[in-house]
Amino acid sequence: EPEVTQTPSHQVTQMGQEVILRCVPISNHLYFYWYRQILGQKVEFLVSFYNNEISEKSEIFDDQFSVERPDGSNFTLKIRSTKLEDSAMYFCASSSDWGGTDTQYFGPGTRLTVL
Amino acid sequence: DQQVKQNSPSLSVQEGRISILNCDYTNSMFDYFLWYKKYPAEGPTFLISISSIKDKNEDGRFTVFLNKSAKHLSLHIVPSQPGDSAVYFCAASGAGGTSYGKLTFGQGTILTVHP
Repeated sequence: EPEVTQTPSHQVTQMGQEVILRCVPISNHLYFYWYRQILGQKVEFLVSFYNNEISEKSEIFDDQFSVERPDGSNFTLKIRSTKLEDSAMYFCASSSDWGGTDTQYFGPGTRLTVL
Repeated sequence: DQQVKQNSPSLSVQEGRISILNCDYTNSMFDYFLWYKKYPAEGPTFLISISSIKDKNEDGRFTVFLNKSAKHLSLHIVPSQPGDSAVYFCAASGAGGTSYGKLTFGQGTILTVHP
């Protein structure tokens, strides 16, 4: 069964450093998403991406965040200058249609720890 | 953001009995609802969904009921099995407009099924 994969599974970084989280969505999917879950809190939407453009982003997704689809298979989330409060599980998801009519499938997540 | 609420943080059920997980929402623009199951250190796994044009959807042991007038949905698991023990998230999305597939999640309910 096709699945979304994410690397690394755990990333530890120093405050102020740049991190890139990587995702390989399901191959025939066209819509890509990033979510995060701070420990003990809800899963929160960050950004949706389609046709090489951001479709929607939340208030969390400020200028420190960017997304990219550098080739036909990878989808990345970059945080330029990490803060302590960026520590969270980051989940990538993909769907073949907008989540309103189709299902988003999630990867296993990357645990980001900012020291 | 309290647009999707799961008011029961936990539920404990005996193996073989019915588990009923509840979810309430406030945004009348939501028209697609999903249930995800999550184990520790894994991403959310899709279980079942329902469109707002239906009031029931069934898949094996899992049934989701939607009451639009009450803005309430529930997930029934019959019979419950110990392997069902996990955190269950309710999620909702709106149709088009400015909501490009963004899922809004509830806080989750921890289900424990005792042998």
